[in-house]
Amino acid sequence: GQNIDQPTEMTATEGAIVQINCTYQTSGFNGLFWYQQHAGEAPTFLSYNVLDGLEEKGRFSSFLSRSKGYSYLLLKELQMKDSASYLCAVIDSNYQLIWGAGTKLIIKP
Amino acid sequence: DGGITQSPKYLFRKEGQNVTLSCEQNLNHDAMYWYRQDPGQGLRLIYYSQIVNDFQKGDIAEGYSVSREKKESFPLTVTSAQKNPTAFYLCAASTGTESSEQYFGPGTRLTVT
Repeated sequence: GQNIDQPTEMTATEGAIVQINCTYQTSGFNGLFWYQQHAGEAPTFLSYNVLDGLEEKGRFSSFLSRSKGYSYLLLKELQMKDSASYLCAVIDSNYQLIWGAGTKLIIKP
Repeated sequence: DGGITQSPKYLFRKEGQNVTLSCEQNLNHDAMYWYRQDPGQGLRLIYYSQIVNDFQKGDIAEGYSVSREKKESFPLTVTSAQKNPTAFYLCAASTGTESSEQYFGPGTRLTVT
């Protein structure tokens, strides 16, 4: 079966750094997305990784290791507005998008 | 403004009634998708369409139906055959290439009692 694992919930402090991990076991791999979703709202695109390594975009960075089936999203200089769920999604060999359950990130002052 | 609209935001229906959720996009994207989101679970694909007049079942298509008569519109009907229809429904669109991100509408929260 296909599986994507993320922690259910994480808590961090405003101004700090947090790393949200995602591990996947899928039939093939054609890319990995990270999305942000505020409660009751639509997911919005954060990043896309298809090659190993780190992609940096402002305060957010995403890392991929295809050999380990592993990715992480790194959020720096946390702000209260970063409180949201973060969804990891993998494109499998059939080019279908497989979604993780998401990690709810709680930011405390 | 380019984007995806879903209406209404909240919808209430009695058990046994069919209900249609609208999804319109002005992004000129070929591919459109319907997902269902339940608490503690990932997005689950109901149906998707890569071109007009063609659509494919996703992982949980039973009890749902769709049509794609126009590029910009992809309505979803939740039929009375769907055993547990109360959920948050999200519509998305993309260019259809494998690396393209999906753009999501604001979602419709359907409650069936």
